[in-house]
Order: sequence, then structure tokens, then C-alpha cells
Amino acid sequence: DAKTTQPTSMDCAEGRAANLPCNHSTISGNEYVYWYRQIHSQGPQYIIHGLKNNETNEMASLIITEDRKSSTLILPHATLRDTAVYYCIVRVAVGIQGAQKLVFGQGTRLTINP
Amino acid sequence: DVKVTQSSRYLVKRTGEKVFLECVQDMDHENMFWYRQDPGLGLRLIYFSYDVKMKEKGDIPEGYSVSREKKERFSLILESASTNQTSMYLCASSLTVRGTEAFFGQGTRLTVV
Repeated sequence: DAKTTQPTSMDCAEGRAANLPCNHSTISGNEYVYWYRQIHSQGPQYIIHGLKNNETNEMASLIITEDRKSSTLILPHATLRDTAVYYCIVRVAVGIQGAQKLVFGQGTRLTINP
Repeated sequence: DVKVTQSSRYLVKRTGEKVFLECVQDMDHENMFWYRQDPGLGLRLIYFSYDVKMKEKGDIPEGYSVSREKKERFSLILESASTNQTSMYLCASSLTVRGTEAFFGQGTRLTVV
């Protein structure tokens, strides 16, 4: 399974950009990188995903290095509600039927400070 | 806008009871998953299903079984609940196609006393 490594915790000031790094040096060529976040006592919430190119949606931007060994999630204007655990995940195939499980690491606990 | 629904948010059961955790998705996804989440251990896959009546063991299947009689419903069964099965249980669903996201339910916090 491709593994991901993230800092255990980070702090960011409200209104500033939050940049969350992730290393996935063993990722395979056809594996996507996904980002989810989990607010206390809720299920993980999908944020964004990418394969090779940088991606942007209404929640965040995803920057993937050219060698695909690392990526950065950017929350452009962090708010207090962005305080959560952020997971960088690679989906890996399981069995022979094409199902893909999400392999979770420990994630980064992001705290947005007023 | 609810996509993955877990039947209970909180559940308290006694040791030895048979426990059913239900999960329903409305997105016609082929794949459905059950994870448990424990402090310091992260999310670990218990079982998954890639089609109706088809299932595969995940990383920690011991003490659990599953049922998928209809595409939209995936049930996790604790045959004889034990205190070490006290945990947060999360259901997820996804398409088989790469590059599509998985959706999670809100979770069921199960306490076995």
C-alpha cells in the first residue's frame, strides 16, 4: 500500500492561507491523491483529489509536485470552522474486482487561531 | 443532500449481544466499506463489498461479519459484542472508477458495556 506522511499538527491564523504538506513517495503512477478532513465526532469529509495536475475547487487547492512524491493542500483564507484533522490519502486497489480502499494515516491536526 | 446514512449516531450494547450497524447510500455506488476509528490507531478497514452479496475482508475482520443483500445497503454485524469493540464505526461508499471520491456517513459511536 502506498503510504503517506504528514505533520502531526499545525497552526494557522484566521484569514491566512493554510498550507498542509504530505509526502507520498511510494505512490504508483495511476494512484490518485485524495484529501479529506474530519471535524470532531463527524465522518470524514471529501475536500479534493488529483493525479498529476494542480487542482482547485470551492474549498481548496491541491498542488502536486512533478515527480508526484509530495503534495500540498492549500486553504486560501482559513476560518475557525476549518479547524479539523486533515488526511492525505491514496486509494489502493483491493481484491480483483476493482474496489479501492482508502488508506488513512494519522493526519494533521490543523488549528485555526483567531 | 445526505448521501451515506448510518442508522444510529450513538449506541450502547451489552457484552455478548448481537449488534447490527446499518448503512444506506443513495448514489448507486458499487463499493461500500466499514471502518472503525480508535484514538491513536486511525481508521482501519473492517470489511468491504464490491457488489451485491459480494464481500471481502479488510485489515481487521475478526469478530465482525457483513451483509449486502441490496446495492444500497451494507450491514455490519457484531455476532457477540465485546468491550474491545467499543469504537467509532464509519461507513463509506464509492464508485469503482478511479478518480472519484468516496463518501462517508456521520459515524456510529458504539459503546459495549
